[in-house]
Amino acid sequence: GAGVSQSPRYKVTKRGQDVTLRCDPISSHATLYWYQQALGQGPEFLTYFNYEAQPDKSGLPSDRFSAERPEGSISTLTIQRTEQRDSAMYRCASSLGQGVGYEQYFGPGTRLTVT
Amino acid sequence: AQTVTQSQPEMSVQEAETVTLSCTYDTSESNYYLFWYKQPPSRQMILVIRQEAYKQQNATENRFSVNFQKAAKSFSLKISDSQLGDTAMYFCAFMKHDGTYKYIFGTGTRLKVLA
Repeated sequence: GAGVSQSPRYKVTKRGQDVTLRCDPISSHATLYWYQQALGQGPEFLTYFNYEAQPDKSGLPSDRFSAERPEGSISTLTIQRTEQRDSAMYRCASSLGQGVGYEQYFGPGTRLTVT
Repeated sequence: AQTVTQSQPEMSVQEAETVTLSCTYDTSESNYYLFWYKQPPSRQMILVIRQEAYKQQNATENRFSVNFQKAAKSFSLKISDSQLGDTAMYFCAFMKHDGTYKYIFGTGTRLKVLA
C-alpha cells in the first residue's frame, strides 16, 4: 500500500478484556516495529520483526503482550487482560530492511483506552 | 543503558526566524546513530535528519541542520527560516550500531511557529 496503516484507529476496552491491534506495513518492507507512546512522551520500543522472525521482543512490558507476523507482512499486537496502565498510542513502523540506513515509516497509530 | 534528554518541553519562534532545539544523550557506545523526528498534529512520525556518530561533519537537510558534539554528547537541531508547517513535536532519537535496531526516543519538544 501507499503507507503504513493501522486498525482500529481508536479502541476503548474494559479492564480485563483482550485486545488485538493490527498493522499493515508498506508492501515489500521486510522489517516491522511496534512502539508504545504515552501522551506527551516519545515512542518506546516494544518489539520488531524481520519478515516473520522476531529477533527482539525485549521491550514488551509483560507476558500479557505478544506480537505476531506469521506471513511476514501484516502484524498483530495482542494485549491480554488489559489494565488501565496499558492505555496509550500504539504505533507500528516499517522499513525496507533492518538497520539504520533504512528509514522507518510510521503508521497513524491506534489509540487504546482501557476503562 | 542509553538515555535521551530533551530539556525544552515547549518552544516558539517567529516565522522566518531561526530556532535551535536541544538534545543530550548518554551512552558508553562509540558507534551509534542520532535522529530528529517530527510529529505534526496529524501524529505521523517523519524523519527530519540523521547523523552517524563516526562522521565529524554535521548533517544538513535543506533548512534543517544539526550541531553534533560527540564529546559533550549533544545533538541539537537548528531550523532556519522557520515556516508555519514546522509546527510540530520534535523527537530526538538514538540507535546503537550493534544490530539491535531499536530507537531510544527523548520526551520531545513542542515547537510552535508564530505568524
